[in-house]
Amino acid sequence: AQTVTQSQPEMSVQEAETVTLSCTYDTSENNYYLFWYKQPPSRQMILVIRQEAYKQQNATENRFSVNFQKAAKSFSLKISDSQLGDTAMYFCAFMYSGGGADGLTFGKGTHLIIQP
Amino acid sequence: GAVVSQHPSRVICKSGTSVKIECRSLDFQATTMFWYRQFPKKSLMLMATSNEGSKATYEQGVEKDKFLINHASLTLSTLTVTSAHPEDSSFYICSARDDLKGTQYFGPGTRLLVL
Repeated sequence: AQTVTQSQPEMSVQEAETVTLSCTYDTSENNYYLFWYKQPPSRQMILVIRQEAYKQQNATENRFSVNFQKAAKSFSLKISDSQLGDTAMYFCAFMYSGGGADGLTFGKGTHLIIQP
Repeated sequence: GAVVSQHPSRVICKSGTSVKIECRSLDFQATTMFWYRQFPKKSLMLMATSNEGSKATYEQGVEKDKFLINHASLTLSTLTVTSAHPEDSSFYICSARDDLKGTQYFGPGTRLLVL
């Protein structure tokens, strides 16, 4: 079974700053996906970014980018030019990609607060 | 973008009654859907995998007779909480896996309160 660890329960930064959220995972699988999801107060889960384990290139989506270190089993999220609307819970998630469809294993989350 | 709806968004029921929650993929087909549970200020825990036309697969520790899942079509899965008790109060979230893209999209969640 895989586990996902987010060691930062809460982080707070000033608007326009850059912030990095950490995530580590443990798995014996070689083929998998990693995700970062955002959950604002509405509680709707929003996909921020996705990384396929077989790809060496780090995924980027506008202000969001990841630092994927497969050997270290690390998957951090960097948010550049942070905005007030980025305030939310952020969950790192793992999904096995070999055959069939698997559910997501989530970390405990990091509450990110962007201060004006 | 892909949309997943859940109904109802909020439900209050008496202890001992059953509650049905619907999860629909509105603009894509989903052979597989997932049901998660989230306690306040906690993470999402996978409860079960719902497969169209076959039995659901439950995670360890989840009572299949307590949480009945029916996936009758490629766009609809239902979760029925049977004989609900106050400890079943929680936020239930479904996700649907797009058959073509493989990406999971989440519904807005259902808040269940059992009195």
